[in-house]
Amino acid sequence: ELKVEQNPLFLSMQEGKNYTIYCNYSTTSDRLYWYRQDPGKSLESLFVLLSNGAVKQEGRLMASLDTKARLSTLHITAAVHDLSATYFCAVDVEGYGNNRLAFGKGNQVVVIP
Amino acid sequence: EAQVTQNPRYLITVTGKKLTVTCSQNMNHEYMSWYRQDPGLGLRQIYYSMNVEVTDKGDVPEGYKVSRKEKRNFPLILESPSPNQTSLYFCASSYGGDTQYFGPGTRLTVL
Repeated sequence: ELKVEQNPLFLSMQEGKNYTIYCNYSTTSDRLYWYRQDPGKSLESLFVLLSNGAVKQEGRLMASLDTKARLSTLHITAAVHDLSATYFCAVDVEGYGNNRLAFGKGNQVVVIP
Repeated sequence: EAQVTQNPRYLITVTGKKLTVTCSQNMNHEYMSWYRQDPGLGLRQIYYSMNVEVTDKGDVPEGYKVSRKEKRNFPLILESPSPNQTSLYFCASSYGGDTQYFGPGTRLTVL
C-alpha cells in the first residue's frame, strides 16, 4: 500500500524567514502534485512535477522532486501571512498518469508577524 | 469561465436514504475523480475516471457508486448512506495527468 507522509504536519513560520516542508512517499512514481487549501475552501493546484529532478517556482514557493529518494520538498522564501494555508502533496500511485492519486495528510502552515 | 461545479453544496440526510451528488466540468477534461476529506486524514480518492465509461476504484470505494455516461458529468451515488459517510466531498477534473481542478465541495451529514 502506498504511503504518503508529509512533515511537519503543523508549522508556525515567522514572516521573512525561509522554510521547507517535506513529502515522502513509498512507491516509485515520478509524478507528484502540490495543492494549497485555505480554511473552508477548496483545493488549488500549485505545482505539477512530472520527472526526477523537476523544479518549479511560483513567487515565494519552489517545489522539487527527487524520485530516487522518493521525496518532494516545498520551499518557502521569506514567508508572508498570505502563505498561511494547508499544503497537500499527491502522488500518482501507478506512475503513468492514469489519475489514481494518493494524498498526504497535509502541512498546516501558519505565518505569524 | 472554466469550472467544476458540484450540487448540492450542503446536504443533511438520514441513514439509508439514497442520494446523488452531481459533478460537472466545462473544460472537456477526460479525467475526473471523487475525494472525501476528513479531519486528520487528508483527502482520500473514492473513484476515478479516465474517460466516458471508464471508471475505477480509489482508496475508499465501499458504499459509493459512480457513472460516467458523458464526458462532462461524473455523479457520486450513495445507495444507502451511513453516518460514517459524513464528510466533505470534492470532485476534480484534469486533462491527462496535468493540473487537477477541484469543485467547491459538498458537505454531507448523514444522521
